Amino acid sequence: QQQVKQSPQSLIVQKGGISIINCAYENTAFDYFPWYQQFPGKGPALLIAIRPDVSEKKEGRFTISFNKSAKQFSLHIMDSQPGDSATYFCAASSTSGTYKYIFGTGTRLKVLA
Amino acid sequence: ETGVTQSPTHLIKTRGQQVTLRCSSQSGHNTVSWYQQALGQGPQFIFQYYREEENGRGNFPPRFSGLQFPNYSSELNVNALELDDSALYLCASSLGGSSSIYFGEGSWLTVV
Repeated sequence: QQQVKQSPQSLIVQKGGISIINCAYENTAFDYFPWYQQFPGKGPALLIAIRPDVSEKKEGRFTISFNKSAKQFSLHIMDSQPGDSATYFCAASSTSGTYKYIFGTGTRLKVLA
Repeated sequence: ETGVTQSPTHLIKTRGQQVTLRCSSQSGHNTVSWYQQALGQGPQFIFQYYREEENGRGNFPPRFSGLQFPNYSSELNVNALELDDSALYLCASSLGGSSSIYFGEGSWLTVV
């Protein structure tokens, strides 16, 4: 019940295309859903996050869509650029008590020039 | 840059040895969490410290221990190192009550 399932494992997109990464969770106590971007040899960097009281959040080219009833959320990267090539992790946590993050297994995105 | 600094960046240890990793949290952040990231995997929660007390622990054995100091910096100690402990160890800081956590660049530990 603590798992966060992420797909696809890897993704190749043409420059200017839309990258879509999906995550699903089981624990209904989760109420905070961030996405992290990680470049090789670096720590994960917070990209964007959403709470379940909204269905969508947009920051620049990055959008999170959230479906509470399906317990799914996704990251959309619009106008994907070669500089977006990285590994993306979704995560989930409950904001009551310890803010322990449960991470997905990651999606390796490659954007072709 | 998140303002979270970790040291050392890389180290190699022998099986059975002990290691201490250090973390300075972002200015004003009073909560520190430690995560282990194996190659090709997502980070896994080890434990969290808030106001110098352990405030939650993941599925890691007692040979993983930690400390938080009055200035909110933190240490992760691992005793009796095993080959499977080889990983990137990430420190993340946050402001108590805030959901957002910010990671440092990590410490790469190789156990041989």
